[in-house]
Amino acid sequence: NAGVTQTPKFRVLKTGQSMTLLCAQDMNHEYMYWYRQDPGMGLRLIHYSVGEGTTAKGEVPDGYNVSRLKKQNFLLGLESAAPSQTSVYFCASRTRNYEQYFGPGTRLTVT
Amino acid sequence: GEDVEQSLFLSVREGDSSVINCTYTDSSSTYLYWYKQEPGAGLQLLTYIFSNMDMKQDQRLTVLLNKKDKHLSLRIADTQTGDSAIYFCAETRYSGGGADGLTFGKGTHLIIQP
Repeated sequence: NAGVTQTPKFRVLKTGQSMTLLCAQDMNHEYMYWYRQDPGMGLRLIHYSVGEGTTAKGEVPDGYNVSRLKKQNFLLGLESAAPSQTSVYFCASRTRNYEQYFGPGTRLTVT
Repeated sequence: GEDVEQSLFLSVREGDSSVINCTYTDSSSTYLYWYKQEPGAGLQLLTYIFSNMDMKQDQRLTVLLNKKDKHLSLRIADTQTGDSAIYFCAETRYSGGGADGLTFGKGTHLIIQP
């Protein structure tokens, strides 16, 4: 049981490039989330999903898109990366008992 | 103002108890959490408490909730060097759809003195 995994662990992009971050969970959780963490800040919610085929906006959704084509995967896309999107991105999934488990994070730098 | 507030730093001696405090503003908060983050790592769920509880104990960890004052604390007994990390307080509220994400504080750096 791997829990929540994220790919890649690190990435450097140039401004304007695009990329997709992959989150996978093997716990059969319905709910999945993407957060970003900036220095000296707590995590902020970008987008979330309540089940396969559904997504919704969180607190800071601008510049990001998401898809949940399979229950176990939640993808976060950046269509045109900006330096303000330099951050550490965390994916999480949640049990029915409201226990939310996080992946190890992806450190993204946009130059 | 912020939804969840924490002190930025706490320094304690090894072997003493650490008490990390958190205040929140949303009276409809349903679940309150403590997460631990070590350098370069993800967030580890330490414990959480439902809003109808006052206290929860799990080995060296004790969570106290004062719902009237909207105050949450985490006590770590017999603090060890391995407890050195950033501790995040977070809250969520049940909205019927059940999907609300967590709202986090900025984290408390726990520093252990030998």
